[in-house]
Amino acid sequence: DSGVTQTPKHLITATGQRVTLRCSPRSGDLSVYWYQQSLDQGLQFLIQYYNGEERAKGNILERFSAQQFPDLHSELNLSSLELGDSALYFCASSVEGGRGNTIYFGEGSWLTVV
Amino acid sequence: GQQLNQSPQSMFIQEGEDVSMNCTSSSIFNTWLWYKQDPGEGPVLLIALYKAGELTSNGRLTAQFGITRKDSFLNISASIPSDVGIYFCAGQLSGSNTGKLIFGQGTTLQVKP
Repeated sequence: DSGVTQTPKHLITATGQRVTLRCSPRSGDLSVYWYQQSLDQGLQFLIQYYNGEERAKGNILERFSAQQFPDLHSELNLSSLELGDSALYFCASSVEGGRGNTIYFGEGSWLTVV
Repeated sequence: GQQLNQSPQSMFIQEGEDVSMNCTSSSIFNTWLWYKQDPGEGPVLLIALYKAGELTSNGRLTAQFGITRKDSFLNISASIPSDVGIYFCAGQLSGSNTGKLIFGQGTTLQVKP
């Protein structure tokens, strides 16, 4: 158990809908990261927050947004869902937000868009 | 964009054999992390490397941070059936002030009892 908690574990929704994925980082970690894993793309970095502020942005679609709340939990919002958004979404966390930090992953949220 | 080339893509070995996999890049990294992922689960951290030349072991696993800072390898000695899974290398780019990880494509390991 990495200490990173993600909910829900599985989600099935229809195209055009909106979903929210939730992440609680390890106790004491200030930074959270969101990654997308699909069969053809591998693990792709989406976005990073550090202590409530956006720290880095990857290939995150405009239909997706995220935030980190004062209690340090984070949410990833996916809207206008398309079939191609079906993937495993991972949250990860680290103590600090810079390089040289060890990053621990949650067990993921499996999103299926039908 | 930055890429990590991980090889081999897959391996099928006999229980008890040693395994070696590596990652290379044209970019310089200041952190290398090795993860193992089981189907439907999140990546589990195996070994973290922070300095060029660093050699670190975790049980039967040994990993090294290449001197050029552009590569890393992971060795597994005396493989057992529970070593089955997908192994990923991941690195943090030198010059980056974020913790963003770039991942290799993964090495799928199968162990025959």
